[in-house]
Amino acid sequence: GAVVSQHPSWVICKSGTSVKIECRSLDFQATTMFWYRQFPKQSLMLMATSNEGSKATYEQGVEKDKFLINHASLTLSTLTVTSAHPEDSSFYICSASLPSGHGELFFGEGSRLTVL
Amino acid sequence: GENVEQHPSTLSVQEGDSAVIKCTYSDSASNYFPWYKQELGKGPQLIIDIRSNVGEKKDQRIAVTLNKTAKHFSLHITETQPEDSAVYFCAASKGGGADGLTFGKGTHLIIQP
Repeated sequence: GAVVSQHPSWVICKSGTSVKIECRSLDFQATTMFWYRQFPKQSLMLMATSNEGSKATYEQGVEKDKFLINHASLTLSTLTVTSAHPEDSSFYICSASLPSGHGELFFGEGSRLTVL
Repeated sequence: GENVEQHPSTLSVQEGDSAVIKCTYSDSASNYFPWYKQELGKGPQLIIDIRSNVGEKKDQRIAVTLNKTAKHFSLHITETQPEDSAVYFCAASKGGGADGLTFGKGTHLIIQP
């Protein structure tokens, strides 16, 4: 299957700072990547759809100014949590779809963000 | 939009027995139904999927069935093993690569030795 890699796998930061999470498709080009957020013992909630070369599409209720998404190349999308607060602490997971467009999504390992 | 219901939320079975997890969906236009396994602290891993032109699909000990009329699909795991313990998520989408998945709430499967 396709490989999606996230970095860092975990990060601890102080309140008010910004944190960047990278998502890379290692063996394929991903025109579309998706960012999910998962709270403990809960399901994955789609935050935004990231399209290479264009602005991300955010789900209702997700602050686009707080969660900045950049998809500058076909293998890299980044999520920046700006001015992080403790309530932003969560497990962030990216996924990418294969160019064949048959719907298969492959997920990264996730990034655990803890804001102190 | 799509709504996916998943049951049960927790399932405990004896090692060697079978486990069944069920999901229903609301959007009749959905045509792609994957199942993901998520171990603690890791991202979800695709274990099997099915499309609406097929009623059943099997891969070794794992099988998925789909009833389009009733809008429900199920995951069947036979001869369960301790390493099957994890959280399983069903999902549904309209199948295009740019169309995000809608996930169920997950089932915590516990395999009792």
